[in-house]
Amino acid sequence: AQKVTQAQTEISVVEKEDVTLDCVYETRDTTYYLFWYKQPPSGELVFLIRRNSFDEQNEISGRYSWNFQKSTSSFNFTITASQVVDSAVYFCALSEDDYKLSFGAGTTVTVRA
Amino acid sequence: GAVVSQHPSWVICKSGTSVKIECRSLDFQATTMFWYRQFPKQSLMLMATSNEGSKATYEQGVEKDKFLINHASLTLSTLTVTSAHPEDSSFYICSADRQGSINEQYFGPGTRLTVT
Repeated sequence: AQKVTQAQTEISVVEKEDVTLDCVYETRDTTYYLFWYKQPPSGELVFLIRRNSFDEQNEISGRYSWNFQKSTSSFNFTITASQVVDSAVYFCALSEDDYKLSFGAGTTVTVRA
Repeated sequence: GAVVSQHPSWVICKSGTSVKIECRSLDFQATTMFWYRQFPKQSLMLMATSNEGSKATYEQGVEKDKFLINHASLTLSTLTVTSAHPEDSSFYICSADRQGSINEQYFGPGTRLTVT
């Protein structure tokens, strides 16, 4: 069964628009971790955020923000005022008690100038 | 800090030959390393978990005799693709779990393997 679902396959926006990437996860563990990674065309994964299951506080880092809602098992990611350099594939991932990462299918974000 | 390197970054080999990929944690020790495979336009799929000094644990469907993993030290894990075939062509990515931390995986830049 898919543990992490990223329903949006591709999103295309014009520069300066906001874009929200959805992530829904499934787990029976009470302790787990959620991650977001960015994968630009070069292929190297760039770590964006890690959140443990006991910390539901939303987080903002520059133009990036994350909304963690345990009630709906979602961990959504918003890029505010998008830029061309934000074009990449974004992966949401879940780590349970065995610390293995289960990745979602990824969302390709294209930001047009 | 927390840099992971992979070597080579890309490799082309002929069908039937073996290829070794190295994964090194440069500035920290890693008790556990993970190997992932990513096909074009697809997600990362975990292949195996490698623990220093012990046998790797393979995910279901991954042939352990084909993908040999050795984790000889706290800073080095190797993946050998034996008797490679064109269908093994993929992007292989390793990650290292920093010793003493909880769930901090650092990813290498990946190795692109093309088997002709």
